[in-house]
Amino acid sequence: KAGVTQTPRYLIKTRGQQVTLSCSPISGHRSVSWYQQTPGQGLQFLFEYFSETQRNKGNFPGRFSGRQFSNSRSEMNVSTLELGDSALYLCASSLRSYEQFFGPGTRLTVL
Amino acid sequence: GIQVEQSPPDLILQEGANSTLRCNFSDSVNNLQWFHQNPWGQLINLFYIPSGTKQNGRLSATTVATERYSLLYISSSQTTDSGVYFCAVGTGNQFYFGTGTSLTVIP
Repeated sequence: KAGVTQTPRYLIKTRGQQVTLSCSPISGHRSVSWYQQTPGQGLQFLFEYFSETQRNKGNFPGRFSGRQFSNSRSEMNVSTLELGDSALYLCASSLRSYEQFFGPGTRLTVL
Repeated sequence: GIQVEQSPPDLILQEGANSTLRCNFSDSVNNLQWFHQNPWGQLINLFYIPSGTKQNGRLSATTVATERYSLLYISSSQTTDSGVYFCAVGTGNQFYFGTGTSLTVIP
């Protein structure tokens, strides 16, 4: 069974731009969660989607948003990028929110 | 949110040595996982262990949910065990991560 895939793997943007990251979960998994990892703040929960509905959201500004499609694929969007948004963005999928399986991540650099 | 503390923050071992990593959490949880983050950033699942004891080769883990801690044991460490180990706990659909234990195994 294929694992969680994330695209793109690396991304360079400039301040003020917006970015969209994509995550394809393991086949059959309907829950997708997003996390941000930075050296200063560690791994922090962004939001979780299940069957196209956002069920939970972490403590991030409204510039961070996401959505999930009917095939369980998910996208997250960050608008008006700031330097502090440079991070590794990780996506995880799970079956009914139990054991989570992570993708390889998207490394975003904001210049 | 739930506070997760991992100790020690850094650990340096000689190849072949054993080690114990600890994860304390501040509230009742129904999910707990241990991960190993490889140098490229991917989180590799080690154990899903909300309670009890599990073993997988040289690694084993124990969670005592009533006392709010979990332990990860690494025996006969190898250089490939180097990296950062994370404990993550959750209640349903949100996981809280500890700050990790950075393990370096020297030959």
